[in-house]
Amino acid sequence: GQQLNQSPQSMFIQEGEDVSMNCTSSSIFNTWLWYKQDPGEGPVLLIALYKAGELTSNGRLTAQFGITRKDSFLNISASIPSDVGIYFCAGQSGGSNYKLTFGKGTLLTVNP
Amino acid sequence: GAVVSQHPSRVICKSGTSVKIECRSLDFQATTMFWYRQFPKQSLMLMATSNEGSKATYEQGVEKDKFLINHASLTLSTLTVTSAHPEDSSFYICSARDFRGATGNTIYFGEGSWLTVV
Repeated sequence: GQQLNQSPQSMFIQEGEDVSMNCTSSSIFNTWLWYKQDPGEGPVLLIALYKAGELTSNGRLTAQFGITRKDSFLNISASIPSDVGIYFCAGQSGGSNYKLTFGKGTLLTVNP
Repeated sequence: GAVVSQHPSRVICKSGTSVKIECRSLDFQATTMFWYRQFPKQSLMLMATSNEGSKATYEQGVEKDKFLINHASLTLSTLTVTSAHPEDSSFYICSARDFRGATGNTIYFGEGSWLTVV
């Protein structure tokens, strides 16, 4: 089956630093989605990417859909303490199958 | 973004009883919803795809008779954990596909439901 490799697994950074995380896939996806999950809550959609090469921003967040359709990255600029949480990438194959394949998550800790 | 709501957010039930969790899309219709289970410090594990007006599609290894899914309307899917056991204790999360917009492939998640079986 499809596999997503998300890295890094965890990050410890100082407030104000920039962060980058990425996901790579063994197969092609038609859609990449990035979510943030706080403890005890459901994932919240941050950015959705629908086309290869697409670069999309949402405030301090920027994500790109890799040109090969097998990878995506998420950057967070000027991190703040509330950025703490687990970030998941998810890929969707498309067609009539809307199931998401999730990465294992990146745990972000921001030190004030 | 679209809103998906789950209820209850937390539930405690006795071993052997059944418990129902609801997932509602509040501002859009969802022909497809998904149910996940998440263990501490792990990623989401897809249990089943809930299809409005038809039977759910279960992932391999998920007991359909134990985890009953009903998607009777375009805004509501329910997950019933039957004859619950302590090992069923987990965080259950639903999601719904928002088919509006250019691609119709955006998936939004509910807040999750903590189930504790005692």
